[in-house]
Amino acid sequence: TQLLEQSPQFLSIQEGENLTVYCNSSSVFSSLQWYRQEPGEGPVLLVTVVTGGEVKKLKRLTFQFGDARKDSSLHITAAQPGDTGLYLCAGAPGSNYKLTFGKGTLLTVNP
Amino acid sequence: NAGVTQTPKFRVLKTGQSMTLLCAQDMNHEYMYWYRQDPGMGLRLIHYSVGEGTTAKGEVPDGYNVSRLKKQNFLLGLESAAPSQTSVYFCASLKQNNYGYTFGSGTRLTVV
Repeated sequence: TQLLEQSPQFLSIQEGENLTVYCNSSSVFSSLQWYRQEPGEGPVLLVTVVTGGEVKKLKRLTFQFGDARKDSSLHITAAQPGDTGLYLCAGAPGSNYKLTFGKGTLLTVNP
Repeated sequence: NAGVTQTPKFRVLKTGQSMTLLCAQDMNHEYMYWYRQDPGMGLRLIHYSVGEGTTAKGEVPDGYNVSRLKKQNFLLGLESAAPSQTSVYFCASLKQNNYGYTFGSGTRLTVV
């Protein structure tokens, strides 16, 4: 089983602050995805990165895939209370149809 | 489109009882999955299916069975529920050659 380690496990910040969460593995992934999960709901896909070194932006969220395709980061600029949720990374070790999930980073943005 | 629909949303079972969780998707996706989510454990794959009539074991298959008789439906069965199966269960689907699962909103199961 290829493991994805997410850090930090919990993060509580004030509105307007910046933050970065990390997703690391010793294994290479053909693609990596980030999901956000709100209480009582299923995870929702935010982005997929497939190329080493790739950077994608989604409004105030910036996602980066490591050059060696073993790690990824999610940076949020000027966090808002609506960003609160559980952020999950998931990697496809080979074929993209079977994902390995990290345990998640629980983000709380206080107004 | 409704996406992925799970029924029921909540259920309480007594130890030893059986039940079936239903997942239905209307997106014509080839792949379907059942996960359980527990505090501190993340999402763990129970069973999955790469097409109608096929199923395969995931990371934690013991105590569960699945069937995919129709492409749009994926059923998860618990034959004899145990308190260790108390969890939130998520179904997901994926279109072939695409990225990104579509998840249902979950079933919260408590076994007492």
